[in-house]
This record gives sequence, structure tokens and C-alpha cells, in this order.
Amino acid sequence: AQTVTQSQPEMSVQEAETVTLSCTYDTSESDYYLFWYKQPPSRQMILVIRQEAYKQQNATENRFSVNFQKAAKSFSLKISDSQLGDAAMYFCAYTRDNDMRFGAGTRLTVKP
Amino acid sequence: GAVVSQHPSWVICKSGTSVKIECRSLDFQATTMFWYRQFPKQSLMLMATSNEGSKATYEQGVEKDKFLINHASLTLSTLTVTSAHPEDSSFYICSARPLLGGYYNEQFFGPGTRLTVL
Repeated sequence: AQTVTQSQPEMSVQEAETVTLSCTYDTSESDYYLFWYKQPPSRQMILVIRQEAYKQQNATENRFSVNFQKAAKSFSLKISDSQLGDAAMYFCAYTRDNDMRFGAGTRLTVKP
Repeated sequence: GAVVSQHPSWVICKSGTSVKIECRSLDFQATTMFWYRQFPKQSLMLMATSNEGSKATYEQGVEKDKFLINHASLTLSTLTVTSAHPEDSSFYICSARPLLGGYYNEQFFGPGTRLTVL
């Protein structure tokens, strides 16, 4: 079974600084999809960024970028120029055919 | 676009009663809908996957007689918690995968339903 591991339960960053959230996963498949979701206090899941495994180029969405290392099965999220509104739970997720598997999450605190 | 709604957003019920939660895809048709459960400060745990017109597939350890799922149309799935007990209190989230136009196997999430069983 596919597993997703987020080894950082909590992270803290100063406003305007950069922070990287880690995610590793385990799979025997070669084609799959990876996501980072943000869950603010409202608990609405918000898609931050997505990556298809066969694409070698790292995905980027404005201040958010990923470092996708397929061989190492690593999918980290970098948040640049952190803003107070970035404070939330962040979940890494893996999917291939149907269901989506989530990591345990990382709570990000942004200090003013 | 790609909006998923859930109703109700918060429900309180007495132990032993049944509660129905609706999940609707408002602006797209969904081949598959998913139901997740999230305990406080924990991750989302997949409970079941439902496809329109067919029986839901439940994850191991999820009681299908307790958590009844009906996917009656391409825009509506319901989760009924039967004979609810305090341990069923949780946050329930649904998601939907588009029939057309979707990519990356993406799922769109509803805002969740907080269930409290007294």
C-alpha cells in the first residue's frame, strides 16, 4: 500500500522568509500524481500545487514550488516570501488510480 | 468552477439516531466521490469510494452497515451515519473527481461537516 510520510509535525517561519516542508512517499508505481493541500482553520482543503510523476520539471505556483525527486520518492514544498495567510496545516498527498492518500500533516506557523 | 458543497456544515444529534450528510458537485459531474474522516489535529482518512449507480467500496475497518453511502447521481452522494454514538463524532469531508475536464486525478473537496453525537 502506498504511504505518505511528513516528518515535520510543526514548522515555523518568519514573515517574508522561506520555508520548506518535507514529504516522502512509498510506491512501486512509475506514474502517479502528487499534491500539496493547505487546510486553514476553516478546514476547507485548498489545493496548493500538483505534480505528475512523469514530468521531471518541478511545479511552480507563484510563491509555492516543489522539489520533486522521483528516485528518492521525495516531494518537498517550498514557500517563498511567507505571508501570515500561509499559516495552516499542510498535507502532502499521493494518488494514482483512484483514492488519495495523505500524510499526517505539518502545521505551519508564520511569525510577524 | 469545481465547487463541492456539503450539507449540513454542523450537526448535533443524540446517541442512537441517524444522520445524513449530503455532498454535491455544483458545477460539474463527478464520476467518483470520496468520503473522508478527520479527527482533531489528524490527517484525512479515506472511508469509502463511491461511483454513481454502484455500491461504495469501503476501506478496511470501516463498517459499511454503519456508514451507508448512496451515490444516486453524478452530482450527489450521501453519507448516512446510522445509530450514531459519541465515538462517531468527527469531521467528515467529501471530495469529487470530475467526469470530464479533470486532470492529475484531482479531487475537489467539500467544506466538511462537523458531527457531534451526544
